[in-house]
Amino acid sequence: EDKVVQSPLSLVVHEGDTVTLNCSYEVTNFRSLLWYKQEKKAPTFLFMLTSSGIEKKSGRLSSILDKKELFSILNITATQTGDSAVYLCAVEANFGNEKLTFGTGTRLTIIP
Amino acid sequence: GAVVSQHPSRVICKSGTSVKIECRSLDFQATTMFWYRQFPKQSLMLMATSNEGSKATYEQGVEKDKFLINHASLTLSTLTVTSAHPEDSSFYICSASGSYETQYFGPGTRLLVL
Repeated sequence: EDKVVQSPLSLVVHEGDTVTLNCSYEVTNFRSLLWYKQEKKAPTFLFMLTSSGIEKKSGRLSSILDKKELFSILNITATQTGDSAVYLCAVEANFGNEKLTFGTGTRLTIIP
Repeated sequence: GAVVSQHPSRVICKSGTSVKIECRSLDFQATTMFWYRQFPKQSLMLMATSNEGSKATYEQGVEKDKFLINHASLTLSTLTVTSAHPEDSSFYICSASGSYETQYFGPGTRLLVL
């Protein structure tokens, strides 16, 4: 059974701090790992990672995948209160239109 | 990016009634649609996967007679919660994907069964 574990479950930091969120996985026929940000409603897509060692970056957010050690990290630098959300990690198996297995999420709270 | 809509966004119904939730891909053809359920402060749990024109594939533990899924066209899938009960109250989210593309999520539907 595919499995995704995120840590920490929750994190509270001050504005301006840098945070690192972790995601480890066990999946048969790995295709990709995805990060989502969920605020009040449905998740919004952040990154899709398919290759090891290649950092994806978008503004203050970046993410990297290690397919040998089966984990990914999501970094957020110079955090802002708008970064407060639940960050979900999911893995996709096989090729195309396969289901996503989600982790439990990390609840990030940024204190002004 | 691709846009997926859900309707209604919120529904309150009496126990024993059926509720239909629509999921539409607005600017692309979704060969596959997924239905998720999310309880408060928990992650998304996949309920079923549906491909246009064929029967949905349900995850273990999801009652197919309770949660009817129809994917009649490349832009529309519906989830019908039949004879809803209070324990069915939850947040239901659909997602849609084209061929070999990532899933795009709808905004979700909050169901409250009284």
